[in-house]
Amino acid sequence: NAGVMQNPRHLVRRRGQEARLRCSPMKGHSHVYWYRQLPEEGLKFMVYLQKENIIDESGMPKERFSAEFPKEGPSILRIQQVVRGDSAAYFCASSPPESEAYGYTFGSGTRLTVV
Amino acid sequence: TQLLEQSPQFLSIQEGENLTVYCNSSSVFSSLQWYRQEPGEGPVLLVTVVTGGEVKKLKRLTFQFGDARKDSSLHITAAQPGDTGLYLCAGRRDSNYQLIWGAGTKLIIKP
Repeated sequence: NAGVMQNPRHLVRRRGQEARLRCSPMKGHSHVYWYRQLPEEGLKFMVYLQKENIIDESGMPKERFSAEFPKEGPSILRIQQVVRGDSAAYFCASSPPESEAYGYTFGSGTRLTVV
Repeated sequence: TQLLEQSPQFLSIQEGENLTVYCNSSSVFSSLQWYRQEPGEGPVLLVTVVTGGEVKKLKRLTFQFGDARKDSSLHITAAQPGDTGLYLCAGRRDSNYQLIWGAGTKLIIKP
């Protein structure tokens, strides 16, 4: 397992279209986190998921945004009816379920550009 | 309100100089981590500190966790251009798996 895999690396969408961002966590990691980052800024938490469960979605806008982590397959962050303000880098991270000594392993991100 | 305050926000120094960046909070953390992020990539974990007063060294990088577990520092000796990046601290509170993130220190090392 090469680590956390995110695809696509770059995604261009027109206003009003849907964006689907995928994240495959590291093998053995059952916790997935999605973050958003604007240029020159830190990470903004969006949502925390475990397999088939959303644990905390307090950082995710109530409208247009949704996330899932199904029993099989990658985690998906879905943005409906994208607007220019959705343009950002979206990072996924995963961690194992045990021990706070473990940090997060991040993917390389998906850079979403809304035109 | 930022639970973890990083300072400075931006630092640009010459190669060979030493520097320290800080991560401060009024809250107690059970552990704290430092990450480095390079342009176009995701953050990469550098170190986790767990015990109050703990000091960890990673080559030219020295990480310290405050005695009260409310703050941490990262000291870089003889900085090199390869140290350039965004340095992020993140802390865990109690048994919550989620991390609380600082806003980052952008470090530029000029050759």
